[in-house]
Amino acid sequence: EPEVTQTPSHQVTQMGQEVILRCVPISNHLYFYWYRQILGQKVEFLVSFYNNEISEKSEIFDDQFSVERPDGSNFTLKIRSTKLEDSAMYFCASSSPRQGYGDQPQHFGDGTRLSIL
Amino acid sequence: AQKVTQAQTEISVVEKEDVTLDCVYETRDTTYYLFWYKQPPSGELVFLIRRNSFDEQNEISGRYSWNFQKSTSSFNFTITASQVVDSAVYFCALSVPRGSQGNLIFGKGTKLSVKP
Repeated sequence: EPEVTQTPSHQVTQMGQEVILRCVPISNHLYFYWYRQILGQKVEFLVSFYNNEISEKSEIFDDQFSVERPDGSNFTLKIRSTKLEDSAMYFCASSSPRQGYGDQPQHFGDGTRLSIL
Repeated sequence: AQKVTQAQTEISVVEKEDVTLDCVYETRDTTYYLFWYKQPPSGELVFLIRRNSFDEQNEISGRYSWNFQKSTSSFNFTITASQVVDSAVYFCALSVPRGSQGNLIFGKGTKLSVKP
């Protein structure tokens, strides 16, 4: 079964450094998302991306964050000047185009655990 | 504003017991979608089910069943004859489409521990 792939599985970075998290969505999916989960807390939406532009973003997704689809397969999340509170699990998700009526389920990758020191 | 409440933080049962995980949602939209995801100890998020607001039929999939009641804004999840492998955090989520597909609003999750 096709799956969403995220790399690396664990990233350790010094505070203030830039980090890029990478995702390869399911190949025929057109909608892409980033979520984060601070340890022990709920999963929070960051941003959605469709047709090479941001569809929606949350309050968390400020100027420190950016997303990009640099080629036909990768979807990246960049965090500039990382802070201690950016430490979390970051999940990438993708979904297929709406068929008929309704949202298609989002399929998640295994996550990247980001640790800021 | 949309919100999902999972009042049960942790549940512990003994194998073969039935267990119900509660989910209450809030939205003023008439079109919305409800989901359940499972997060095992390994950390990934596994999609279990999607329901749209116009379909109140209950669903059964093996040992899993879901009860959707718009009158009480609830979408509860029951595991029958629980097994140790069911131990995980279970998240209920809501999406409200805005033109394109909506983002997921998650509850805080219920940690289920199934003991042998």
